Amino acid sequence: DQQVKQNSPSLSVQEGRISILNCDYTNSMFDYFLWYKKYPAEGPTFLISISSIKDKNEDGRFTVFLNKSAKHLSLHIVPSQPGDSAVYFCAARVGGGADGLTFGKGTHLIIQP
Amino acid sequence: GAVVSQHPSWVICKSGTSVKIECRSLDFQATTMFWYRQFPKQSLMLMATSNEGSKATYEQGVEKDKFLINHASLTLSTLTVTSAHPEDSSFYICSAGEPQYFGPGTRLLVL
Repeated sequence: DQQVKQNSPSLSVQEGRISILNCDYTNSMFDYFLWYKKYPAEGPTFLISISSIKDKNEDGRFTVFLNKSAKHLSLHIVPSQPGDSAVYFCAARVGGGADGLTFGKGTHLIIQP
Repeated sequence: GAVVSQHPSWVICKSGTSVKIECRSLDFQATTMFWYRQFPKQSLMLMATSNEGSKATYEQGVEKDKFLINHASLTLSTLTVTSAHPEDSSFYICSAGEPQYFGPGTRLLVL
């Protein structure tokens, strides 16, 4: 039972445009969400997070939107740069920092020049 | 952000041997560390939560006698894959801190 779903295995975006990565979840107990970027054979790199009490969090080129009623979140990257090409994982957890994360399967973002 | 290291970065071993993987928090103390596993083209799956000074908590389906976890200090957790078999071949990653920062991972290949 996939509690965190990333339905797009890959996404191709032109350099300079906006990249939008989507994530859906089924567990209504999740209250903290994170996005990670990962290169092959490396550990994930933390990008941005959002608490369920917010609906938007922004950090530089990265913005995460949370729609609790739809159990949906998205990561916006603008403008997209070649270095953004990687696999992006959505993750969620219940409760505080003592809990592990539940990950989606990832979306491979390809930024085209 | 915080730095988490892992050692070794890759290991090849024969079936039946045991392999130890170290996870260290370099610039902070961590009473809790997490161990994940990633199979090719799959997501990261939480295996266990490592707690300093107490027993680890294992996720459903993860054999605690096969994957031994020791969290002996506030900066070190170890995962030992005992009697490794080819199906244990995977990418093992640890994390610590808040939000969770990940180590670079350990690629295990069991022949």
